[in-house]
Amino acid sequence: SQTIHQWPATLVQPVGSPLSLECTVEGTSNPNLYWYRQAAGRGLQLLFYSVGIGQISSEVPQNLSASRPQDRQFILSSKKLLLSDSGFYLCAWSMAGGIYNEQFFGPGTRLTVL
Amino acid sequence: KQEVTQIPAALSVPEGENLVLNCSFTDSAIYNLQWFRQDPGKGLTSLLLIQSSQREQTSGRLNASLDKSSGRSTLYIAASQPGDSATYLCALPPQGGSEKLVFGKGTKLTVNP
Repeated sequence: SQTIHQWPATLVQPVGSPLSLECTVEGTSNPNLYWYRQAAGRGLQLLFYSVGIGQISSEVPQNLSASRPQDRQFILSSKKLLLSDSGFYLCAWSMAGGIYNEQFFGPGTRLTVL
Repeated sequence: KQEVTQIPAALSVPEGENLVLNCSFTDSAIYNLQWFRQDPGKGLTSLLLIQSSQREQTSGRLNASLDKSSGRSTLYIAASQPGDSATYLCALPPQGGSEKLVFGKGTKLTVNP
């Protein structure tokens, strides 16, 4: 069966510091991978998605970037965090090539920028 | 642009009651719709995926229906339990068979013992 991991679970960072959040998927190959952010009182916002190694699509201009160095690894980064980057970050995966695109989510990372 | 609306934003019911959560969307040219559950501080758990060729899907006490022509989906929960308390989200592609999903803001359900 497939599992998805995210770490860290919780992170408190000062404004201006760098960020690296990691997501890995087990039990599948060549998945589509996604980064979402859920801010307080707002819905889920798709930040990035990837259909393969090195292939990243950005949905919203922002202070963040994403990379996919390995097939089942997806990393969310920032060089300098802003207060507005606080939120709950969720990674998800889906089967590649399927039109029905059922997505499965990880446990999330709670980021607080002070 | 696909817009997804969930009404009500919050719902409180006594244990044992049957209930319906609603999801409406603006672009009906979709291949699927997915319902999720989110517990406080947790990730999303996939509940049901309805393909566009289906009208409904069932899993245990949950039944989800899809009416593309009217741009609506409902999630029916039978014999609700306190453990059903969570936020329920619906999501669908922005168009056709896109890899992406657009989410509603969810309905926060509280089932009181």
